[in-house]
Amino acid sequence: GAVVSQHPSWVICKSGTSVKIECRSLDFQATTMFWYRQFPKQSLMLMATSNEGSKATYEQGVEKDKFLINHASLTLSTLTVTSAHPEDSSFYICSARDWQGGDTGELFFGEGSRLTVL
Amino acid sequence: GQQVMQIPQYQHVQEGEDFTTYCNSSTTLSNIQWYKQRPGGHPVFLIQLVKSGEVKKQKRLTFQFGEAKKNSSLHITATQTTDVGTYFCAGQGGGSNYKLTFGKGTLLTVNP
Repeated sequence: GAVVSQHPSWVICKSGTSVKIECRSLDFQATTMFWYRQFPKQSLMLMATSNEGSKATYEQGVEKDKFLINHASLTLSTLTVTSAHPEDSSFYICSARDWQGGDTGELFFGEGSRLTVL
Repeated sequence: GQQVMQIPQYQHVQEGEDFTTYCNSSTTLSNIQWYKQRPGGHPVFLIQLVKSGEVKKQKRLTFQFGEAKKNSSLHITATQTTDVGTYFCAGQGGGSNYKLTFGKGTLLTVNP
């Protein structure tokens, strides 16, 4: 199946700093990627849909100025958590569908990035 | 908005016992997907159900999609320790909106 790579896996930062998380589709082109947030032992909450070459679509309640999404190429989407605070600590996961590979509807998830804000 | 409810939240079984998790959507779905997330890992796709009343099997796993396309279940026969993890259902609404709404998941633990 298609592979989605996410980096970094772990990041610890000080409050007030910004953190960038990268999501890459390694063997397919992803015109659309999805960013999720998962709190411990909870479900995945869709934060935004990242569209290549255009603005991301944010879910209700997600601050677009705090969670900056850039999808500059068909294989790369980035999520930047700006001015991070402890309440932003979470597991962030990206995913994508392989539209060209005979889309089965399957979402391919990255490994996730665990952010801890001190 | 669309809501997907999943029960139970936790299930602990003895190895060899059966396990079932249930999902119910507040709206009719175009399809429902199931994912498994091992502890510390990321969700991995198991299956997608599209047709009303559809039943699919993968070895010891049986997936069902309700006639009204609003509910679904995952049944595991004779659980093994390798089945440990959180099972999520994810529903997709109709139209061109490909957004998936995830249930809260069922954490399955298996006592050897």
